[in-house]
Amino acid sequence: GAGVSQTPSNKVTEKGKYVELRCDPISGHTALYWYRQSLGQGPEFLIYFQGTGAADDSGLPNDRFFAVRPEGSVSTLKIQRTERGDSAVYLCASSPVGAGAADTQYFGPGTRLTVL
Amino acid sequence: SQQGEEDPQALSIQEGENATMNCSYKTSINNLQWYRQNSGRGLVHLILIRSNEREKHSGRLRVTLDTSKKSSSLLITASRAADTASYFCATVHPQGAQKLVFGQGTRLTINP
Repeated sequence: GAGVSQTPSNKVTEKGKYVELRCDPISGHTALYWYRQSLGQGPEFLIYFQGTGAADDSGLPNDRFFAVRPEGSVSTLKIQRTERGDSAVYLCASSPVGAGAADTQYFGPGTRLTVL
Repeated sequence: SQQGEEDPQALSIQEGENATMNCSYKTSINNLQWYRQNSGRGLVHLILIRSNEREKHSGRLRVTLDTSKKSSSLLITASRAADTASYFCATVHPQGAQKLVFGQGTRLTINP
């Protein structure tokens, strides 16, 4: 079946602009995660959804970052007033249940965001 | 912040040799997972080992876990050129709601 998809694959924007990154999880997966990966680093957790609600948003760096998942499927990560330091690959993952601690997370290909 | 540290940061071996990568972490865990990443994009789950397990095998992969030393190792036997990638360990805290905490990764290059 289809895996996790993310759009766009690449996004170039100017400092101060607003961007939206989209994630389509695997159908039926209730848990959805956003991570951010800077060059040469491992991914860093941003936010976790269980269904429609954000169960853990402790990784969002500041209030310029916001994410939604209104119908419990597709999620959008929104970044306001982008800064050059926001440049990174933004990864989305989903897992079947999310309630237990042993679910495998399935990652999408990521969106490479470049802020000029 | 990153919890895990992988060692070495980069490893280059000949095809057919075995590759060993190590991971250390700082807090208690529910489980530890290894992922592979090609070309800096999507990660592929390789193997999960629970905190009460000491060793696990999957095909050419062997993972060990030593919770007393807070460390894990990933062994890839009979390496192939297609194994060239970055490998990351990631931990799940017992109360971490499945949030993965990644290390910085090991860049593995298999030379033909």
